[in-house]
Amino acid sequence: SAVISQKPSRDICQRGTSLTIQCQVDSQVTMMFWYRQQPGQSLTLIATANQGSEATYESGFVIDKFPISRPNLTFSTLTVSNMSPEDSSIYLCSVAQAQETQYFGPGTRLLVL
Amino acid sequence: GQQLNQSPQSMFIQEGEDVSMNCTSSSIFNTWLWYKQDPGEGPVLLIALYKAGELTSNGRLTAQFGITRKDSFLNISASIPSDVGIYFCAGPINNAGNMLTFGGGTRLMVKP
Repeated sequence: SAVISQKPSRDICQRGTSLTIQCQVDSQVTMMFWYRQQPGQSLTLIATANQGSEATYESGFVIDKFPISRPNLTFSTLTVSNMSPEDSSIYLCSVAQAQETQYFGPGTRLLVL
Repeated sequence: GQQLNQSPQSMFIQEGEDVSMNCTSSSIFNTWLWYKQDPGEGPVLLIALYKAGELTSNGRLTAQFGITRKDSFLNISASIPSDVGIYFCAGPINNAGNMLTFGGGTRLMVKP
């Protein structure tokens, strides 16, 4: 399976600011995804990061709040914009090859004060 | 959207005991996945099931893909302290099989 790293691993941010999370994979992958895991909750898919085009967002998530970039097949970023305490969560990137299962990064733990 | 109902939500067991958890859905899934999330980590894939009725083992873990394709269970035999974590079932929500929906998770605590 691919080795996935995320930066930062954790952060504490002030409300109203924005944070960009990076996801790096050690090999080219077809699909990259971003998930949110609120405290004590399961994983919720935010969007699919598409290489060379706009991300595909799930219901309840919008580009203005969670802009995503994917400049190549090994890297993606998720920005959490204009943060509020409700955005305090673990943000996880995952990768998959076509027709194969997903593997997850270690997550970014975000606390918004 | 498709929802996975996972139970129990949490378990507190004695070391050495066997554990069983399950996942059900009102919709048919063609793949069932079981992940474990250790504290402070991302989920790690434990077992993938691709065929109705399939029974697959991974060490002390055994998982089955229900014959109706609407349920799956995960068993852990002879639990040890490092089994502590949250276990999630997951299933694909697209034809390519690589976009997932997750169950609510089962939080396992093991008393030495």
